[in-house]
Amino acid sequence: DSGVTQTPKHLITATGQRVTLRCSPRSGDLSVYWYQQSLDQGLQFLIQYYNGEERAKGNILERFSAQQFPDLHSELNLSSLELGDSALYFCATGLGITDTQYFGPGTRLTVL
Amino acid sequence: EDQVTQSPEALRLQEGESSSLNCSYTVSGLRGLFWYRQDPGKGPEFLFTLYSAGEEKEKERLKATLTKKESFLHITAPKPEDSATYLCAVWNYGGSQGNLIFGKGTKLSVKP
Repeated sequence: DSGVTQTPKHLITATGQRVTLRCSPRSGDLSVYWYQQSLDQGLQFLIQYYNGEERAKGNILERFSAQQFPDLHSELNLSSLELGDSALYFCATGLGITDTQYFGPGTRLTVL
Repeated sequence: EDQVTQSPEALRLQEGESSSLNCSYTVSGLRGLFWYRQDPGKGPEFLFTLYSAGEEKEKERLKATLTKKESFLHITAPKPEDSATYLCAVWNYGGSQGNLIFGKGTKLSVKP
């Protein structure tokens, strides 16, 4: 158990809908990272927050957004969902900006 | 373009048959190389961080090594419980802060 929690574990929704994924970091971690993992693409970095501020952006679609709250938990918002958004979404957390990242158990999103 | 390539894609071993997994990388400036283990449907589990060429780290039956162009994960006398996908990731010094680039992984199966 990495100490990182993610909710929900599974999410099934329809195309065009909007969902919110939640991540709670390990105690003391200030950085939160979001990743998407699909069968053909592997793990793709989406976005990083450090102590409430956005630090880096990867291959994140404009339909997706994230934020980190004062208590350091983070939410990833996915809107106008498409079939291709079906994937595992992981958050990872770390102490600082470039420290080792510890992954949560993931949220499996299925868009029908 | 920054890239991480892992080989082989899949590896089948008999219990006790030692072998190595390869991770080759091309990045503009390596800040760190990470090895993770991932079981199906679960989040990646941190194994090792390597920072400079010549560095080695060990944990139980696993040993990770790093050169200027590649890293190896050596598995000595593997057991069936070592079956998993092993992921390699690099932290690019010249890229956006917090940008981990993952390889697609090596799926290891160890038969009793």
